[in-house]
Amino acid sequence: NAGVMQNPRHLVRRRGQEARLRCSPVKGHSHVYWYRQLPEEGLKFMVYLQKENIIDESGMPKERFSAEFPKEGPSILRIQQVVRGDSAAYFCASSPNGGPDTQYFGPGTRLTVL
Amino acid sequence: AQSVTQPDIHITVSEGASLELRCNYSYGATPYLFWYVQSPGQGLQLLLKYFSGDTLVQGIKGFEAEFKRSQSSFNLRKPSVHWSDAAEYFCAVGETGTASKLTFGTGTRLQVTL
Repeated sequence: NAGVMQNPRHLVRRRGQEARLRCSPVKGHSHVYWYRQLPEEGLKFMVYLQKENIIDESGMPKERFSAEFPKEGPSILRIQQVVRGDSAAYFCASSPNGGPDTQYFGPGTRLTVL
Repeated sequence: AQSVTQPDIHITVSEGASLELRCNYSYGATPYLFWYVQSPGQGLQLLLKYFSGDTLVQGIKGFEAEFKRSQSSFNLRKPSVHWSDAAEYFCAVGETGTASKLTFGTGTRLQVTL
């Protein structure tokens, strides 16, 4: 079974550009989580989605960040007008059920903003 | 709000020596606890988890952890460390309910000397 897939693995953007990060969950998993890891820090929750629904976005910055998980296709984390402070590793995780369940993590996308 | 503390930022042990990584949590209800390992440039791999039942849980790669409610701790142990165990280790607590996001500690970086 394929695990969680994320692409691209590395992304370089200039300030003001848009970054689009993709996550394909484990087959059969309908719950997706996005986390951000700043250098030398632990992972911080950003958003939790089910198919076509945002369940919890309490960790998302209020501006420039958005996420979706459409009926078909991967989950997308979009960052508009990137700034240097957005440079981080962004991890996606999926689980088969909501509630307390193991989350399986992808390899991450490392975003560098020049 | 829940929180996780990993008091040791960096630990160095000799190969073959025993290991204990500390984790303390703060959570109002019954916690769901996890240990993940992250190798450089990689995603997170689940080592073990505690949801309920026996407070001593066994994981992969010879790791175990003990849940102690009275001390709000979930320390990770391994009797004999191998050089390949060098990595960053994250303790996390999961919410109950529909959100189920994970809150991570800041991590402990393990170095193994030969």
